[in-house]
Amino acid sequence: QITLKESGPTLVKPTQTLTLTCIFSGFSLSSRGVGVGWSRQPPGKPLEWLAVIYWNDDKRYSPSLKSRLTIAKDTSGNQVVLTMTNMDAADTARYYCAHTGLWSPPENWGQGALVTVSS
Amino acid sequence: QSVLTQPPSASGTPGQRVTISCSGSSSNIGSNTVNWYQQLPGTAPNVLIYSNNQRPSGVPDRFSGSKSGTSASLAITGLQSEDEADYFCAAWDDSLDGVVFGGGTKLTVL
Repeated sequence: QITLKESGPTLVKPTQTLTLTCIFSGFSLSSRGVGVGWSRQPPGKPLEWLAVIYWNDDKRYSPSLKSRLTIAKDTSGNQVVLTMTNMDAADTARYYCAHTGLWSPPENWGQGALVTVSS
Repeated sequence: QSVLTQPPSASGTPGQRVTISCSGSSSNIGSNTVNWYQQLPGTAPNVLIYSNNQRPSGVPDRFSGSKSGTSASLAITGLQSEDEADYFCAAWDDSLDGVVFGGGTKLTVL
C-alpha cells in the first residue's frame, strides 16, 4: 500500500523560506520510472503543479515558480524535500506530495499540509 | 487560468449519467495520458481514472474515462449522492515540461 505524508510549518512569514518534507512508503524512489511530485491548492482554487523528482534524480519545475523552488531526495531514501523561497501571502495553500510515474500526472496523494503566509 | 479547460459545474439527478469534459492541446492531452481525480470537501484528491481509461482497484465501474484527440471525458453512470464532489483532470505537458491541471468541475447531485 502506497502512503505519503507531508510535514512542515503551518505558518510562515512573508519573505521566509518554506521547507516541506514528504515521507512515503509502499514504493521505492530507486525504482526505474518512479517519481515524487508536489502540487498545491489555494483555498477554493484549482490545483497547481509545482515540481517532480525522479528515481534518477531528474527534476522538473513549474516554469512560473522555477526560480523559487528546489526539490531533492533525502539520503534516507524515503523522503523528498521541497523548498520555496521568498514566500508571499499568495503562496497560502494546501501543499500535496504524490507518487507519480515518468512524465505522468500524480497518482497516489498525501493528505496535504496547509501553509499560511502571514506576518 | 488553467491550461486544461473544464466546465465549472455539472449536475444530475440520482441514477442519471453525467459527463465532464476536459479540453487541452497537442502538447498535453494530444500526446500524453490523462488522469481524473475526485476531491471530496476537505480531503485530498483521489485518482479515479489513470492512463485515460484505467480504474484503480476499489473505484466503482460507474466511473469511466475516454480520450479523443486533444479532449478527454469522465463519465459517471448511476449517479449517487456521494458522487457530489469536485473533479479534476490532469496531463503531462511536453511544452511546459510539467503537469497541467484542469480548473475543476463541481458536480451537484440534485
